[in-house]
Amino acid sequence: SQQGEEDPQALSIQEGENATMNCSYKTSINNLQWYRQNSGRGLVHLILIRSNEREKHSGRLRVTLDTSKKSSSLLITASRAADTASYFCATDGTSGSRLTFGEGTQLTVNP
Amino acid sequence: EADIYQTPRYLVIGTGKKITLECSQTMGHDKMYWYQQDPGMELHLIHYSYGVNSTEKGDLSSESTVSRIRTEHFPLTLESARPSHTSQYLCASSALTGITGELFFGEGSRLTVL
Repeated sequence: SQQGEEDPQALSIQEGENATMNCSYKTSINNLQWYRQNSGRGLVHLILIRSNEREKHSGRLRVTLDTSKKSSSLLITASRAADTASYFCATDGTSGSRLTFGEGTQLTVNP
Repeated sequence: EADIYQTPRYLVIGTGKKITLECSQTMGHDKMYWYQQDPGMELHLIHYSYGVNSTEKGDLSSESTVSRIRTEHFPLTLESARPSHTSQYLCASSALTGITGELFFGEGSRLTVL
């Protein structure tokens, strides 16, 4: 079974609205990362949050981590059409240095 | 922009052909990875390497093989391609030792086997 699972699978919003995506995982982690993937392209790293951190900001991105619930959320504020992409969370587990990716959330921002 | 390159970007071949997907990075990273991704789906780790002459199989069984003769180069080979190998293959690298840091991805190689 997957280490990371995103929710919702798909999200459609209007420009200017906020978008929230959630990620749940099963085992202990050292860190959790969020990536973005435009259609047909490679993934781009957005933000990394360590297991001892609860919240992190980067521009319009806000990530929270709740290790007791084994969950994380990615908030994109004031969304733009250019934010349309798939967003993946990835966890490393404490045993090694390989990332396991979730199924992703397909975000569509309508102009 | 990440300095990791994959070729070819797109490849359409017939069943039974041998193919090699190339991946090169100029960042001096020791760790390199191959992920397989079907459209709209999650990524599955199929191979990884922690340095020259080090290769390991990933979480998803794959008939492909890899080699790591040089730090910057991590090619993936399919000896006899089949339609079930049709997928996107993503190469990535990372710098940190120990705890996994940021992965840098190439643009992917989309393989179609007829």
